[in-house]
Amino acid sequence: GENVEQHPSTLSVQEGDSAVIKCTYSDSASNYFPWYKQELGKRPQLIIDIRSNVGEKKDQRIAVTLNKTAKHFSLHITETQPEDSAVYFCAATGGNQFYFGTGTSLTVIP
Amino acid sequence: KAGVTQTPRYLIKTRGQQVTLSCSPISGHRSVSWYQQTPGQGLQFLFEYFSETQRNKGNFPGRFSGRQFSNSRSEMNVSTLELGDSALYLCASSFARGNEQFFGPGTRLTVL
Repeated sequence: GENVEQHPSTLSVQEGDSAVIKCTYSDSASNYFPWYKQELGKRPQLIIDIRSNVGEKKDQRIAVTLNKTAKHFSLHITETQPEDSAVYFCAATGGNQFYFGTGTSLTVIP
Repeated sequence: KAGVTQTPRYLIKTRGQQVTLSCSPISGHRSVSWYQQTPGQGLQFLFEYFSETQRNKGNFPGRFSGRQFSNSRSEMNVSTLELGDSALYLCASSFARGNEQFFGPGTRLTVL
C-alpha cells in the first residue's frame, strides 16, 4: 500500500517568515494530495489540495507544489501569522483510501 | 449545506463495555471514512465505506467494526473496550471515493 512520510514533525518560525512542510509518497498511482490544518481541539480542515496533473497551486499565503517524478509534495506558507500555529497533515490517495502523514506541529512566534 | 456531524461528542466508558459512534455525512456524500487520533499521533485509518459496503479496512483488531446505511450515515462499533481505545474518533465524508474529504468534529472516547 501507499506510505506517506512527513517532515519535519515540529517547526518553529518567527512571525512573517515562511514555513515549508514536505511529504513523500510511495505509490505512483496516487493522484490527489490534500493538506489539512488542525487547530487544538478542532477537526482537521482542508486548506489546499493538488491533483497529479498540476505542479503548483496557490491560495493567498499558502501554496502546494508537487513533483510526481520524485514523488514528493510540499506546503508553503508565506508571511506566517500566529493564527497559522496548528498541526498540519498531508495526505495522498489514488482514489480509494486516504493515507496521511504523521503531522507537523507549526508554531509561529510573535 | 450542513457539515459532517458526529454523535455523541463525548463518551466515557469502562473497560469491557462496547460503544457505538455515529456519523452523518454532508448531504450527497456517499463515502465515509473513520480515523482514530490519539495525542501526538497522526490519523490512523480504521475503515472506509461507500454505497453501504466496506471498501478498505485499516490495521485494527476485529473489535472495531462499522457499517453504512442506505442514507450514507455510518456507525462504528468497538466491543470489549480497552484502555488504549481512548482516543478522538473522526469520520470524514466525500462525494465520491478519492474526492475532497471533510471531517466531522469527532467523538472523544475515554475508557476508564
